[in-house]
Amino acid sequence: DQQVKQNSPSLSVQEGRISILNCDYTNSMFDYFLWYKKYPAEGPTFLISISSIKDKNEDGRFTVFLNKSAKHLSLHIVPSQPGDSAVYFCAASAFGQNFVFGPGTRLSVLP
Amino acid sequence: EPEVTQTPSHQVTQMGQEVILRCVPISNHLYFYWYRQILGQKVEFLVSFYNNEISEKSEIFDDQFSVERPDGSNFTLKIRSTKLEDSAMYFCASRGTGKVSYNEQFFGPGTRLTVL
Repeated sequence: DQQVKQNSPSLSVQEGRISILNCDYTNSMFDYFLWYKKYPAEGPTFLISISSIKDKNEDGRFTVFLNKSAKHLSLHIVPSQPGDSAVYFCAASAFGQNFVFGPGTRLSVLP
Repeated sequence: EPEVTQTPSHQVTQMGQEVILRCVPISNHLYFYWYRQILGQKVEFLVSFYNNEISEKSEIFDDQFSVERPDGSNFTLKIRSTKLEDSAMYFCASRGTGKVSYNEQFFGPGTRLTVL
């Protein structure tokens, strides 16, 4: 039962370029989405969120886009930096309940 | 900046033994969570806790698991009789109820549990 999918297990991007991480979900009741970043041996760190009433949220180099009709969201990082290299998890919640995490995408930003 | 802390960072135990994983959530937070991540797999929800009781739990959270907030600051996860498949990173998270961080959960650094 994969309610939240991240179909790319890994992504490599050159420093300075745009990183685009994708996430798809199946549960139409999800109304709040988060992106977390995780370094090895550390807990997930909140990055950016978006609620279902919006289609875009921007915070510095990070922008999240939500396409509700396609049940798809994406995280754009521009410009990408080597310190952005980590595993990125998409997580979704319905009505303030627990978050369901995707399997993660490992981003490698190459200098 | 306030943060969620967890102890120990690594716990090694024998199969069948009881373990208690400890978490200190952010002080004014009211919602608490445990998640786990088996090596190479995704983060999975275990249980949420609010107002001194479990508000939601997953099918992973069976009778071998229990949670407690014994003293108003600690939030513990107990596994009564550990199994090999309980080996994982266990993350505690907490969230407040204010508008700014309504749904944002703050995660601790995790406890790596190794069951031998």
